[in-house]
Amino acid sequence: AQKITQTQPGMFVQEKEAVTLDCTYDTSDPSYGLFWYKQPSSGEMIFLIYQGSYDQQNATEGRYSLNFQKARKSANLVISASQLGDSAMYFCAMREGTGNQFYFGTGTSLTVIP
Amino acid sequence: DAGITQSPRYKITETGRQVTLMCHQTWSHSYMFWYRQDLGHGLRLIYYSAAADITDKGEVPDGYVVSRSKTENFPLTLESATRSQTSVYFCASSAVNEQFFGPGTRLTVL
Repeated sequence: AQKITQTQPGMFVQEKEAVTLDCTYDTSDPSYGLFWYKQPSSGEMIFLIYQGSYDQQNATEGRYSLNFQKARKSANLVISASQLGDSAMYFCAMREGTGNQFYFGTGTSLTVIP
Repeated sequence: DAGITQSPRYKITETGRQVTLMCHQTWSHSYMFWYRQDLGHGLRLIYYSAAADITDKGEVPDGYVVSRSKTENFPLTLESATRSQTSVYFCASSAVNEQFFGPGTRLTVL
């Protein structure tokens, strides 16, 4: 089974609107971490936000927030007030327990429309 | 400059040749990783290292060799390159709640 599933290959959003990128995960380990990365067309991987499995609050970093629903095993990324520079690939990833294997989804391509 | 660097950034080689991709980090992170990125697959872990002289296989290790004699360096070697190893390779290092990536190496095997 896939550890990380991103079901939206491509998404479009109007500039200044909010957008949600979906991510579901699969693990039986009670301790895990969830990550989101942005990959613009230039190719670098940019860390955006982290959520630990024991964190009580949803993580937020500026315009990025993580909608963490533990029972549903989902960790959706919400980008508020989209900007043209947000156009990129977005990857969800998980780190299980104390291990150091990271599992990545196949990514969602976001296009922000002016 | 602090951070994580990879060299070369671009490499073209031929089938059967040995190729080594270099990775260097300045944060003294214990953990380092090698991934390959292919269209439709996202990032897949090749090898990782928990510390100097400690390495372990990831999801797709076949055809690759790693070593880590120093904490800051984690080279990846393709012993006999094949066309299927044409990909973009990312090195990364890890703190507790973050994983930082290098700029990537685009490798083409002809």
